[in-house]
Amino acid sequence: AQSVTQPDIHITVSEGASLELRCNYSYGATPYLFWYVQSPGQGLQLLLKYFSGDTLVQGIKGFEAEFKRSQSSFNLRKPSVHWSDAAEYFCAVGAFPGGYQKVTFGTGTKLQVIP
Amino acid sequence: SQTIHQWPATLVQPVGSPLSLECTVEGTSNPNLYWYRQAAGRGLQLLFYSVGIGQISSEVPQNLSASRPQDRQFILSSKKLLLSDSGFYLCAWSASDNYGYTFGSGTRLTVV
Repeated sequence: AQSVTQPDIHITVSEGASLELRCNYSYGATPYLFWYVQSPGQGLQLLLKYFSGDTLVQGIKGFEAEFKRSQSSFNLRKPSVHWSDAAEYFCAVGAFPGGYQKVTFGTGTKLQVIP
Repeated sequence: SQTIHQWPATLVQPVGSPLSLECTVEGTSNPNLYWYRQAAGRGLQLLFYSVGIGQISSEVPQNLSASRPQDRQFILSSKKLLLSDSGFYLCAWSASDNYGYTFGSGTRLTVV
């Protein structure tokens, strides 16, 4: 069964500082990996996704993530954080058993940005 | 472009009352549709998914049911709400040829 672990429940960074959110996954085959962002009281928005090819993927809002098969990781990064990046971030792994996408989400990391 | 609508945004219901949450998708045909529930600190739990009209699959046994009466309409229901049904409910859709979900804005359900 697929699973995702986000070891950091809460992270605080200063505005302008770099950011890295950790994600480890468990999946028997080549994983389909995603990062989503959720603002308070809102739905989730897809930041980026990885299926194959270049292990460094670029997303929206200046985010990127790197797939490392040897470490079973898919960490999210941003070089310089803006106050508007404060939100909750979810890593997810997907499988496609037939006819639909089965996506398993991590428990999320809440990002706080301080001036 | 495709859009997904989910309503109501907030709902407060007494224990034992019925529930109906609606989700509609525009701008696409034959989407895969999903209902998730989000509880604080527990991530998102897949409740139901549908690959076509009248085709509903349940991931976990519970007090809820889902229906898909039209291609782009997905409804989450309950005959009698329990306190444990409180949570944030999210509808999502995906295309068969594009990976990743698009989520609605969610419904905050409080059962009192």
